[in-house]
Amino acid sequence: GEDVEQSLFLSVREGDSSVINCTYTDSSSTYLYWYKQEPGAGLQLLTYIFSNMDMKQDQRLTVLLNKKDKHLSLRIADTQTGDSAIYFCAETSDISSNTGKLIFGQGTTLQVKP
Amino acid sequence: DVKVTQSSRYLVKRTGEKVFLECVQDMDHENMFWYRQDPGLGLRLIYFSYDVKMKEKGDIPEGYSVSREKKERFSLILESASTNQTSMYLCASRVSDEQFFGPGTRLTVL
Repeated sequence: GEDVEQSLFLSVREGDSSVINCTYTDSSSTYLYWYKQEPGAGLQLLTYIFSNMDMKQDQRLTVLLNKKDKHLSLRIADTQTGDSAIYFCAETSDISSNTGKLIFGQGTTLQVKP
Repeated sequence: DVKVTQSSRYLVKRTGEKVFLECVQDMDHENMFWYRQDPGLGLRLIYFSYDVKMKEKGDIPEGYSVSREKKERFSLILESASTNQTSMYLCASRVSDEQFFGPGTRLTVL
């Protein structure tokens, strides 16, 4: 079945850039998502990219998609302590059907040191 | 703003009890989902529903059932709670290409 993989932990210093990586196996993925989960909270959608795009930028966030290698990354510029959270990569290939099922990675815990 | 609420933030139950987790969304969304979240495993889909009284199994439905009697409410039921069902449970509803999540219920089964 489909699989999404992420490394579990990343530590950076405040002001540096963070790059969180994700690989997936489903070649029919249509949308790929990045969600953020702060401590004690649910998931919040940060950004998403359609599979026919290579890059999407939104303020400090840059998403890069390498469809050939099935690799997705999230770059956070000028990382702040408030960016400390768990980041989940997710994909769906059911967007055209009525289900909208998402397949999630394990989540990457981002630790930002002052 | 879309709001997805879950009936409890923290719940402690005993092995063998029947447990109900409630989820309500206020945006008339058709699709609703129940996930469980465990460290190192990410989110795994338990059940989802795409309409009232319609339900489909996700990846890990064993030990769970669901109920969707009204469009805004999707309930997850643990018929006989076991310790391996101790977890964080997240509900979501979907419109178009975005899923909106509730705050989660942390369930501990003793």
